[in-house]
Formats: sequence, structure tokens, C-alpha cells
Amino acid sequence: QVQLVQSGAEVTKPGASVKLSCKASGDRFSGYLMHWVRQAPGQRLEWMGWVNTNNGNTKYSENFQGRVTITRDTSASTAYMELSSLRFEDTAVFYCAREMGGGVNSAFDIWGQGTKVTVSS
Amino acid sequence: QSALTQPPSASGSPGQSVTISCTGTSSNVGGYNFVSWYQQHPGKAPKLIIYEVSKRPSGVPDRFSGSKSGNTASLTVSGLQADDESDYYCSSYAGSHNVIFGGGTKLTVL
Repeated sequence: QVQLVQSGAEVTKPGASVKLSCKASGDRFSGYLMHWVRQAPGQRLEWMGWVNTNNGNTKYSENFQGRVTITRDTSASTAYMELSSLRFEDTAVFYCAREMGGGVNSAFDIWGQGTKVTVSS
Repeated sequence: QSALTQPPSASGSPGQSVTISCTGTSSNVGGYNFVSWYQQHPGKAPKLIIYEVSKRPSGVPDRFSGSKSGNTASLTVSGLQADDESDYYCSSYAGSHNVIFGGGTKLTVL
């Protein structure tokens, strides 16, 4: 059973950075695009970007360009998402999600449980 | 990028069918057959229920179906059940390796 297990909740201050992790188990790590999605309280899902677990290539949403960095460590079967210059409106649950089929159809069939990030002064 | 347009709410009685729309542009929904639908219960991670416009992942009941016409995709839930009450989101490939989500629809089973 493929699982994505995310790191625990974070409380941080405006202007700071946060780095979240997403560890895959139960299947090979390489060969997929791993995406990150933000969901503010009561709000919609918002796509942030992806990392190619094979070669580390990335793509970011223009809405987060310059603030987000997505990386991976194949030896640890883990993807990371770092968001900088945090604002109050970054208070949200952040999900990692694996794109099915190795990145061919933009459909996310496996999701992490989510990490809650609270930005508070 | 702005979100794909979904109705904020939809409703139906048990056993009935309900259809949720997802409207985009020729740069996303209309340009590719890569529309997905997700079901999200409160406090839970989204669950993929439709991909590539009309395909169902293993384990998803055939009461859930998807279609597309032009720049609008649709999700139909037939034989509504109490557990179908949830938030539903569409998403689409948007070119240049981008993905876009819809605003979400809250489905109420009356």
C-alpha cells in the first residue's frame, strides 16, 4: 500500500520560512512527479508546484514563484517543500500528492495526510 | 492563474442524480483531456474519483462519472448516498506543466 507521510504541524512567524517533508513508502519513489497543494481554512485547493523525483527538475505556480522551493532526496524517499517570506495568509494545510502514471495526466492518486502551518505573530 | 469555475453548492435527495460543472478556457479544460475530480470530506485529504475526464480509479463506484464539452467538464453523481455529501474539486492540466484547480463545490444530500 503506497503511502505519503508528511511532517508535523508548524507554527511560525511572518517573514520566516518553513520546510515540510513528505516521505513515500510502499512503492518506488523515483519515476513520479510529486506535487504540493495549499488549502487555506475553508478555501479551495491551490496548486503550488512539483518536483520530478527522477532528476529533481521542478515547476512552480506563478502564484508562488520566488517563494517556494521543492526538492527531493531519493535516498530518503522524501520530497520537501520550503516556503519563504511567510504571510498570515499562508496559514493553511499543505498536501503533497503523487501524480499517477509517472507524470502524464496531472491526476493525483496518492495524497499525504496534510501538514498544518500556522503563521502567527 | 485564476481558478476554474465551479458552482459553490449543489444538492440532491438520496437516490437522485446531481451534476457539478467545471468551466475553464481553451488553455486548460478545453485544450486537454486531463481533467480530474476529487472528493474531500471535512478534515481529510482529497481523494481522486475521476481522471482523464471520464476514467475512474480502481475502487471508485460507477455512480461517479465524468464528461467534457468544450471548455466545461462535468461530474455526475448518480444514486446519491449520504456519504456523497462532501466537497468536490475539479482540476485540469493548464499547459507548460501547470495544474489548475476549481473553486470547489459543496454537495449536500438532502
